[in-house]
Amino acid sequence: SQQGEEDPQALSIQEGENATMNCSYKTSINNLQWYRQNSGRGLVHLILIRSNEREKHSGRLRVTLDTSKKSSSLLITASRAADTASYFCATEGEYGNKLVFGAGTILRVKS
Amino acid sequence: NAGVTQTPKFRVLKTGQSMTLLCAQDMNHEYMYWYRQDPGMGLRLIHYSVGEGTTAKGEVPDGYNVSRLKKQNFLLGLESAAPSQTSVYFCASSYSRGAHNQPQHFGDGTRLSIL
Repeated sequence: SQQGEEDPQALSIQEGENATMNCSYKTSINNLQWYRQNSGRGLVHLILIRSNEREKHSGRLRVTLDTSKKSSSLLITASRAADTASYFCATEGEYGNKLVFGAGTILRVKS
Repeated sequence: NAGVTQTPKFRVLKTGQSMTLLCAQDMNHEYMYWYRQDPGMGLRLIHYSVGEGTTAKGEVPDGYNVSRLKKQNFLLGLESAAPSQTSVYFCASSYSRGAHNQPQHFGDGTRLSIL
């Protein structure tokens, strides 16, 4: 069974707009991670946020974590065509070692 | 520095055939993982290893076996392939630091079709 559930399943925006993806999970976590997957390629790690953190930034990426609501959001600002990809959240449980992935959000940025 | 390398990249098998997927990493990572990715389901963990000579079952281990004889290699075997095992298989590795909070590094996948 999957821990993380992303919303929306698909998102289409114009270049320059912001993209927001949400992730909800069910059990206590040690950290939550976001990954990007370009078509036909493996996943690439974007950002990791620990359970005691509320917000984290990396370049044009902003991630928030609300452990009381068991949810996270990924914001991509000033999107580019190159941001077109699938985005996955993954949670690491309290016992570590393993990640549980959601089904992903497909983002399309139109130029 | 190649990162995580998977071989082969594509393979077509007939039902009942066996094969081995190879994963190699050059980052000296302790942990290695095998996932399968099916449409609309994200990644599901098949087996993983926390060190040379050790393996453990993940979420969907049935029909697969693994071996970690060398730290840099993690092999995934299908003894008798079934059409339900048609999928894209990803290998990943991560550094061990107290077993927590380490991102995983992925290969580009093996696309396996079973007829």
